[in-house]
Amino acid sequence: QKEVEQDPGPLSVPEGAIVSLNCTYSNSAFQYFMWYRQYSRKGPELLMYTYSSGNKEDGRFTAQVDKSSKYISLFIRDSQPSDSATYLCAMKGPYAKGAQKLVFGQGTRLTINP
Amino acid sequence: GAVVSQHPSRVICKSGTSVKIECRSLDFQATTMFWYRQFPKKSLMLMATSNEGSKATYEQGVEKDKFLINHASLTLSTLTVTSAHPEDSSFYICSATTERGGLNEKLFFGSGTQLSVL
Repeated sequence: QKEVEQDPGPLSVPEGAIVSLNCTYSNSAFQYFMWYRQYSRKGPELLMYTYSSGNKEDGRFTAQVDKSSKYISLFIRDSQPSDSATYLCAMKGPYAKGAQKLVFGQGTRLTINP
Repeated sequence: GAVVSQHPSRVICKSGTSVKIECRSLDFQATTMFWYRQFPKKSLMLMATSNEGSKATYEQGVEKDKFLINHASLTLSTLTVTSAHPEDSSFYICSATTERGGLNEKLFFGSGTQLSVL
């Protein structure tokens, strides 16, 4: 079993729809959760960074963490064609001396159709 | 967010030559940088962790003599693909962390380098 599972899609929705992207994980030590957006042939861009269970909102994006279920989500409201990209979830464990490696999901390819 | 600059964005080389990729943190000091490789429609594969002033730590299966990493300063790490072969063709991405440890440690990525070996 992979530490982080993410449906690779592809996911295609009409413009204006609410998009839900999800990841599950098996390692209960993970405490920090991130969502990255990656356009084709570009480096990933950090979208959301969360620590605790619950919701965090930033503009049209909402990150949700449920540690009891080991499940995280990213919601995109009023989706735009410019949101078309691959979305990667990532996570890491508690503070430790030295920078920590992130564990990434496989990435979900999202297309927003005008 | 913090800015990580990666250069070149694309390189085409002949088989047997070496290619150097640079990764710079422009507005922060990065004591640790990571190098990833990404195949089409696949997620990021961590190759090595680079710490300023010390030897890089390579992931299992990554040849350290093939992929030379140097992290000579707090703002620059380089990856050299030595004696490149067509199977080394891939998208290489560097990343750097800001404040080390805890809630404020965030990872920012460079724009990637597409390497094509003929």
